[in-house]
Amino acid sequence: GQQLNQSPQSMFIQEGEDVSMNCTSSSIFNTWLWYKQEPGEGPVLLIALYKAGELTSNGRLTAQFGITRKDSFLNISASIPSDVGIYFCAGVNSAQGGSEKLVFGKGMKLTVNP
Amino acid sequence: ETGVTQSPTHLIKTRGQQVTLRCSSQSGHNTVSWYQQALGQGPQFIFQYYREEENGRGNFPPRFSGLQFPNYSSELNVNALELDDSALYLCASSSDRGHGYTFGSGTRLTVV
Repeated sequence: GQQLNQSPQSMFIQEGEDVSMNCTSSSIFNTWLWYKQEPGEGPVLLIALYKAGELTSNGRLTAQFGITRKDSFLNISASIPSDVGIYFCAGVNSAQGGSEKLVFGKGMKLTVNP
Repeated sequence: ETGVTQSPTHLIKTRGQQVTLRCSSQSGHNTVSWYQQALGQGPQFIFQYYREEENGRGNFPPRFSGLQFPNYSSELNVNALELDDSALYLCASSSDRGHGYTFGSGTRLTVV
């Protein structure tokens, strides 16, 4: 199935460090979403981006919707141990019948050493 | 009750059997989607229901089917289970299209 190119695939950082991850696509999306998934749980929405060029923050998280509509990045500043998890980008795509489907990246596994 | 609830949390089935997974969405969430997440991968879109009608489908065979009910609950049915169907199945609901979907914790299906 279709997946976005998400990088890096994993990161090991020290508590307090910043981390960046990005997502690229060959297709245009009108909405970009960033999710975090912890073991045994479903993805939890972190940030939603609706306009090309939009820069949005949610606490220590900042995300941007690329002006080409084919990419997005997420930054986490001053990481803490509870930031550990898998981060997914998702583009919202219109599918047949007027439905909307989320196309996900493969995820970025973040490990934070205290 | 807020949030999306899925049941059961874990399930083991034998190849060839049929399975029904259930999802209870938030009140007012008239759009529900089902996703399959294989180990180490991002979720893959199976299909979406809007006001009890299927209105979009991903690259999954017809043995994957679903239902959505007026009380904001829904089902995913899979017939003739195959080993590759082993995955985490996620239900996601939304009240407004494109404004972020709330996911349940998923059902971990193992086919042996």
